[in-house]
Amino acid sequence: GIQVEQSPPDLILQEGANSTLRCNFSDSVNNLQWFHQNPWGQLINLFYIPSGTKQNGRLSATTVATERYSLLYISSSQTTDSGVYFCAVVYSGGGADGLTFGKGTHLIIQP
Amino acid sequence: NAGVTQTPKFRVLKTGQSMTLLCAQDMNHEYMYWYRQDPGMGLRLIHYSVGEGTTAKGEVPDGYNVSRLKKQNFLLGLESAAPSQTSVYFCASSFSDYGYTFGSGTRLTVV
Repeated sequence: GIQVEQSPPDLILQEGANSTLRCNFSDSVNNLQWFHQNPWGQLINLFYIPSGTKQNGRLSATTVATERYSLLYISSSQTTDSGVYFCAVVYSGGGADGLTFGKGTHLIIQP
Repeated sequence: NAGVTQTPKFRVLKTGQSMTLLCAQDMNHEYMYWYRQDPGMGLRLIHYSVGEGTTAKGEVPDGYNVSRLKKQNFLLGLESAAPSQTSVYFCASSFSDYGYTFGSGTRLTVV
């Protein structure tokens, strides 16, 4: 099946810093989403971005489908940004068989 | 509030016991999914459904069964619980292959 690799696995930053999270995938996709899992375990959908660039406040994401990677940018980090960020994809050659997740980037924002 | 509701939120089982996890959504979504999340891992798909009366196997289906008798409900059953099934279980629903909404999770411990 399709492989999803996220980097870095862990990231510790001071409040106010900027960060870039990366997601590489091994095959063509027709769906790519970024999720934030907060410290209480809730999964929040951040972006649906199979290609192109989107922005939502301090967060933005870019997917270059032809090169099989996506980037999530977080600017002016706040402590509430802490948690695990997951990239998840759907292989374009398969059926409606759900998202395949990477192992996540664990982000800690220190005050 | 619209969304995905999982019951129960916590459960402790003895090895060999059976149980059913219930997922209910009120967004009229066609697709529903069951995932498990283990420490340091992303979410892995157990089973999914593309509509009422349909089910299909995901990445890690062994030891689980599912049913989708009503469009709004997706049940996950453990026939004979094993310690390896200790995990956090997430249900999700979507209208198509994007816009996933996740429940808050069920933390299951098998002793």
